[in-house]
Amino acid sequence: ETGVTQSPTHLIKTRGQQVTLRCSSQSGHNTVSWYQQALGQGPQFIFQYYREEENGRGNFPPRFSGLQFPNYSSELNVNALELDDSALYLCASSLSRTSGGETQYFGPGTRLLVL
Amino acid sequence: AQKVTQAQTEISVVEKEDVTLDCVYETRDTTYYLFWYKQPPSGELVFLIRRNSFDEQNEISGRYSWNFQKSTSSFNFTITASQVVDSAVYFCALSEAGGNNRLAFGKGNQVVVIP
Repeated sequence: ETGVTQSPTHLIKTRGQQVTLRCSSQSGHNTVSWYQQALGQGPQFIFQYYREEENGRGNFPPRFSGLQFPNYSSELNVNALELDDSALYLCASSLSRTSGGETQYFGPGTRLLVL
Repeated sequence: AQKVTQAQTEISVVEKEDVTLDCVYETRDTTYYLFWYKQPPSGELVFLIRRNSFDEQNEISGRYSWNFQKSTSSFNFTITASQVVDSAVYFCALSEAGGNNRLAFGKGNQVVVIP
């Protein structure tokens, strides 16, 4: 069974640029969630995708957007990068979109540095 | 709104000592789920345990045990006979039944096991 994978592992961008992060969900999982983890903090929920549609969003501006594909893989796009976007971006997959409680399994993350 | 508080930031223990991590949560839902995750230096969040709000039975799994008390909204986690490989950041997290499975994390506890 393949776990959650993310690419790239590290990325350096400059302020104002755009970035795309990618995630492949664990085999059999159809729900993907994205989290942002600033240094020394706990992860913060960005949004979740279920069957190619956004299913809930945290307190992040519209320049954070995403996609989910028919194979349940997902992308996180961030436009107009700001210095505060520097963080570890974590993708998690789960078995299904239930009303809550499904265990989420995380990928290794993408470390984004915005200069 | 869901909220998780982990008061201690860094905890140092000598190898083979026990270490207990405190977690206090807030939620308005009567049905919710609590989790503990481990984050080693590599960055990937590793799932450890999950409990639902209807099951206050405390259990032991190997060197891990947990104490769930709804009366005090606490979900504490203990590592028995700590090992150097236990050095990591540990996060407590909460998801609500009505909250599309988003996880709310605490700020984490940095555990350092000294050989």
